Amino acid sequence: DVKVTQSSRYLVKRTGEKVFLECVQDMDHENMFWYRQDPGLGLRLIYFSYDVKMKEKGDIPEGYSVSREKKERFSLILESASTNQTSMYLCASRISGELFFGEGSRLTVL
Amino acid sequence: AQTVTQSQPEMSVQEAETVTLSCTYDTSESDYYLFWYKQPPSRQMILVIRQEAYKQQNATENRFSVNFQKAAKSFSLKISDSQLGDAAMYFCAYRSWQGGSEKLVFGKGTKLTVNP
Repeated sequence: DVKVTQSSRYLVKRTGEKVFLECVQDMDHENMFWYRQDPGLGLRLIYFSYDVKMKEKGDIPEGYSVSREKKERFSLILESASTNQTSMYLCASRISGELFFGEGSRLTVL
Repeated sequence: AQTVTQSQPEMSVQEAETVTLSCTYDTSESDYYLFWYKQPPSRQMILVIRQEAYKQQNATENRFSVNFQKAAKSFSLKISDSQLGDAAMYFCAYRSWQGGSEKLVFGKGTKLTVNP
């Protein structure tokens, strides 16, 4: 089975802190994605990556950056967390058109 | 830009009954994929079913089937013989190609409750 692992299920951070959300997949997928999920808004794409060291902006990249130094790992970075970044963050990898999601990281910024 | 609309924020169904979740989308492309994803409470999202736009036959996966109406840009999900484990958020998604790159556009989701 494909396994996408997000390092933290729940995080609480303070405004202005730098936040790292880590995602690792074990199936050698080239494509990886970071989504943000908010009630009533569905999933919104933050960033995606087609290969190592490649990244492309999604629909809501402002306030975020990403890193993909190794194929299996795709990190989402909040340089200076703000309260409006309190949300559920979902990582996914993709093969043959199907997305495989992690369990999500629920971030609260105080 | 492509959009996906799920007009039912919440739906409920009695166990063993059938329920249909609605999804419409807007696109000018002729070749694309459509998906239904399921997100159970506190669990990860999984693919339920997919449909290739070039296929006229509606996709079926066990108790899950779709009604794909390409001209109407409609892609509804039918769940037959509903089970308690079907309770979840369901997201309709459209896969697009823009400028040589791909991404998925998700609807806002429908919360399905299954009553015993």
